[in-house]
Amino acid sequence: AQRVTQPEKLLSVFKGAPVELKCNYSYSGSPELFWYVQYSRQRLQLLLRHISRESIKGFTADLNKGETSFHLKKPFAQEEDSAMYYCALSGGGSEKLVFGKGTKLTVNP
Amino acid sequence: GAVVSQHPSWVICKSGTSVKIECRSLDFQATTMFWYRQFPKQSLMLMATSNEGSKATYEQGVEKDKFLINHASLTLSTLTVTSAHPEDSSFYICSATRQSRGYTFGSGTRLTVV
Repeated sequence: AQRVTQPEKLLSVFKGAPVELKCNYSYSGSPELFWYVQYSRQRLQLLLRHISRESIKGFTADLNKGETSFHLKKPFAQEEDSAMYYCALSGGGSEKLVFGKGTKLTVNP
Repeated sequence: GAVVSQHPSWVICKSGTSVKIECRSLDFQATTMFWYRQFPKQSLMLMATSNEGSKATYEQGVEKDKFLINHASLTLSTLTVTSAHPEDSSFYICSATRQSRGYTFGSGTRLTVV
């Protein structure tokens, strides 16, 4: 069964501080991992997917198969990064996408 | 880029009536569409997966007779909440995907059953 765990429900940092949002997963096959962001009153947007290995808005995430983790990191948080962040997993192709419970990030001035 | 339109954005209905929510992929053909439910301040819970021309696959605990899904074409899927009750009030979100090309989400539908 697919499972995504985001242990932190809330995360608060100051502007300019590094931020790391944790994500651990459980999946028997080769997963595709994603990070989605939801700004206030907006729809879910794709932030990152591990297969593309790109950096979006300064965020990066590395898939660690040994630790079954896909933590999201940014070296210097900005106020506009305040949002809900969801880690998600699929089995690839058009397989269903399963979400973690989300972490609400607040970046304080 | 891929765009998914979901309609209506919000709907209020009386208890016992049925409500239909549409999800359209505007600029691509979606091989698969997904329906999620999101409770306030909670994550998205997958309800069902639908492929064009075949029956939807429902997640455990989701009543298929309550939440009817029709995926008649590669660009349209509908979710009908039948005989709605106040506990069905929620935020419903659809997502569409093409093979290995990621998932695009609709803007969601706020359903309130009174």
